[in-house]
Amino acid sequence: NAGVTQTPKFRVLKTGQSMTLLCAQDMNHEYMYWYRQDPGMGLRLIHYSVGEGTTAKGEVPDGYNVSRLKKQNFLLGLESAAPSQTSVYFCASIPGGSGLAKNIQYFGAGTRLSVL
Amino acid sequence: SQQGEEDPQALSIQEGENATMNCSYKTSINNLQWYRQNSGRGLVHLILIRSNEREKHSGRLRVTLDTSKKSSSLLITASRAADTASYFCATDGGYNKLIFGAGTRLAVHP
Repeated sequence: NAGVTQTPKFRVLKTGQSMTLLCAQDMNHEYMYWYRQDPGMGLRLIHYSVGEGTTAKGEVPDGYNVSRLKKQNFLLGLESAAPSQTSVYFCASIPGGSGLAKNIQYFGAGTRLSVL
Repeated sequence: SQQGEEDPQALSIQEGENATMNCSYKTSINNLQWYRQNSGRGLVHLILIRSNEREKHSGRLRVTLDTSKKSSSLLITASRAADTASYFCATDGGYNKLIFGAGTRLAVHP
């Protein structure tokens, strides 16, 4: 009954370092999303995927790359971390398809990233 | 760009009182959702209301939607300390995307 799992939960990086955040879902969902959440703000969409092998840019894509090689996994990469990327990152997924439930998002617990 | 904007930004009440949060949005919608976020956790879906619905209930939650005013409200009745969380409205942003507001931080004191 895992749902959406994010790893790692916490990470501290130095400016210029790279890292990959992993999101895994076991619900066979088609769509997956990466958000960042900053204090006093809602969630802002970084990138999303509408299916295996597809990715698309969201509202704030600069400085991030993503890949969806397997349906259950959605990776978020930071090639050269900057202090402005200090944030809490959330992954979410939705079933897709038809019906009202298709748009209900299921979230992971988040990854807290600090870039020094 | 945020579609939904919650009001108030923060709300502090006593246990047993009702809590009302409002959400305004800018463009037409197919549906509107409310989510809860406990401190340090991910968001959890609470309720979805369709554009042709005016009111919806789920337990102690009551959501209203006024499409003419482009606004929605979330009412939590008989609040409990466990209701302490941030609450977000989300509207459909096309292509199965959601646009979230900045949220209302609710504190319920015992």
